[in-house]
Parts: sequence; C-alpha cells; structure tokens
Amino acid sequence: DTAVSQTPKYLVTQMGNDKSIKCEQNLGHDTMYWYKQDSKKFLKIMFSYNNKELIINETVPNRFSPKSPDKAHLNLHINSLELGDSAVYFCASSQMGGGGNTIYFGEGSWLTVV
Amino acid sequence: GENVEQHPSTLSVQEGDSAVIKCTYSDSASNYFPWYKQELGKRPQLIIDIRSNVGEKKDQRIAVTLNKTAKHFSLHITETQPEDSAVYFCAAGGGYNDYKLSFGAGTTVTVRA
Repeated sequence: DTAVSQTPKYLVTQMGNDKSIKCEQNLGHDTMYWYKQDSKKFLKIMFSYNNKELIINETVPNRFSPKSPDKAHLNLHINSLELGDSAVYFCASSQMGGGGNTIYFGEGSWLTVV
Repeated sequence: GENVEQHPSTLSVQEGDSAVIKCTYSDSASNYFPWYKQELGKRPQLIIDIRSNVGEKKDQRIAVTLNKTAKHFSLHITETQPEDSAVYFCAAGGGYNDYKLSFGAGTTVTVRA
C-alpha cells in the first residue's frame, strides 16, 4: 500500500556515469515533484509536473532531465554525474498545487557519486 | 517568490520539557503552512498544518500558531519524548494555483533522556 515509491533506494556510481531514478504514486494525485536534500538537510525543489506537464523547473543543470509518462510516474535521469550530485533525492506528490496541499514524500534515493 | 526562515537550527531539550520552533515567511499571499518531521534516514512526513483562516491548531502534544499580520508561525511540542528527536521543517505556500511549497532550512531537535 506504498503511496509514493521510488527506486533505487541506494545508488553508488562513478563520476561521468548516467543514472535514472524512478518514481510512482498510487494516490491518484495530479502533481509530482523531485526534491534534492543535500548534506545540510535543506529540501530544495528541482522540478514539478502537473498532469504530465512541467510547471516548475528550478535552476537545475540541464544534466538533470525529468520525464513524466503519465501523471502517476515521474522519473529523473541524470547525465554525466558529478561529485556534487551526491545527495538524497525525494520524489513527492500532491493532489493539486503543492503550495496549498499536503505533499507526500517517497522514501528517498541515496545517490553517492565517487 | 516565497522565502521561509526557520529558527533555531538546532534545539536540545530535556525530556518532558517543551520545544518551540519559529518560522517567518515573506509572501503575504501564502495561506498554507505545514510542518514536516524527518527522522534520521527517513522521509519527511507531515505532522500538522494550518491554513490562514485559523490562528491555532492542536493535535495532542503538538500545536501550531499563525500570526498572519506578522507573517510568522510556530510549532510547539509539549512534554517532549525521545521519539520527538528529528529534523523539523516548516513550509509556506499559496492557494489553489500555487504549485510551490517553500521549506525552511530545518531544525534538528534532540530530546535528552
């Protein structure tokens, strides 16, 4: 009965590699997000999709490319990984606009770039 | 855009004492103010939220107060227990058409037994 699930949970990879993180929600929500949490614990929004349409694209390197095949899925692909990309990436969803609705987070994907 | 400031960054309390975390926001249009708790190695989870038409909300040992005029809101935890040790985030966001929830930097709360 997992609400927001993301895979993989742990990912260790070398600099320069390309990797993807997948996310799925079964809450019937219209809006999905990717957040990055660095070592200082700050939660920084990266992208937001509403019904498969990109609505928030914060200042993120274009090595990061989100893809939403349908409103229940939002994947994150990262090209040419760098050391600074090491962080926890949280997928999340909300019923409508996240500004006024509860955001539900997935369990997180721990990315370590070596 | 919205800017949320959260204080203190760390808070250590004796078990049984109260803990208070304060946040300020910049956008007067914001009308939704949730609080999230993140235990070590886990996801952030909503513990309580308040909307701008309410000044205070309580859920057992947790309460949130909102002062829209001053643009600040606070989380109060009474009778703290070791399981309250976690990172707490405040957040602020707009209404129906605002897709972005802005988070504070977090407060690490440690409850000493």
